[in-house]
Amino acid sequence: DTAVSQTPKYLVTQMGNDKSIKCEQNLGHDTMYWYKQDSKKFLKIMFSYNNKELIINETVPNRFSPKSPDKAHLNLHINSLELGDSAVYFCASSQARTGNTGELFFGEGSRLTVL
Amino acid sequence: AQSVAQPEDQVNVAEGNPLTVKCTYSVSGNPYLFWYVQYPNRGLQFLLKYITGDNLVKGSYGFEAEFNKSQTSFHLKKPSALVSDSALYFCAVSALDSSYKLIFGSGTRLLVRP
Repeated sequence: DTAVSQTPKYLVTQMGNDKSIKCEQNLGHDTMYWYKQDSKKFLKIMFSYNNKELIINETVPNRFSPKSPDKAHLNLHINSLELGDSAVYFCASSQARTGNTGELFFGEGSRLTVL
Repeated sequence: AQSVAQPEDQVNVAEGNPLTVKCTYSVSGNPYLFWYVQYPNRGLQFLLKYITGDNLVKGSYGFEAEFNKSQTSFHLKKPSALVSDSALYFCAVSALDSSYKLIFGSGTRLLVRP
C-alpha cells in the first residue's frame, strides 16, 4: 500500500494554464506538506496543514492555493502557470505538528513542466 | 533564522570504504536534526534523526550520524559503502526559532564506485 500518493506523476502544460496536483495519505497522520524541488534539487517548503488548518504558508505567489478537504488529503492548485513553476512538487505527511520530532513521509513527486 | 549547510555537492567513494557526508547547522536553541535519502525519480526517505540523548544515532541501511554541538555538525557516516548507497542525501533541521519548520540543506550526491 502506498503511504503518500500524488497524482499526476507528470504534468506538461502551457504557460497561463491552471492545474492541480492531488495528494492523499493513508498513514493516519494529522499534518501534511507541500515542498517544491527545483532543477538544482533544492527543496523548499511551501505549505503545511494540520488537521485541515493551514499552519505554514511560506512566501509563495498567491497563484498557488492549497486545499485540504480532510486531514488525509492536501491538494495544490496553481493558477496562471509560469515557466518558473517548472519543478518537482512533493507532498509529505507527519504524525507530529510541523514535523519537529517525527519524520516526514514523502510521496513520489509530481514533475510539472511549463512550456 | 535557522539554516543548514551541506558543503559538498558530491562525494565520491570506492565500494567498501568508509563514507562521510557533511552537514552543519545554525539555530537558536536546541536543534532537531535529520538525514533523508533520495533515489532517482523518487521521494525522500527518512534515514535517521537526532532529538536528544546519545550523540551517536544509528539509522537505516547501516548509516549513522554524530551530533556535535560545539561544531554545530551532524555528519552522516557509514563504515563500508555499497554501490547501492549512491543517491542524493539531504540534511535537515528544525528548531523553536522557526516554529519547528523542517529546513533542508542543498543536498549532497553520493557516488559509490565499484
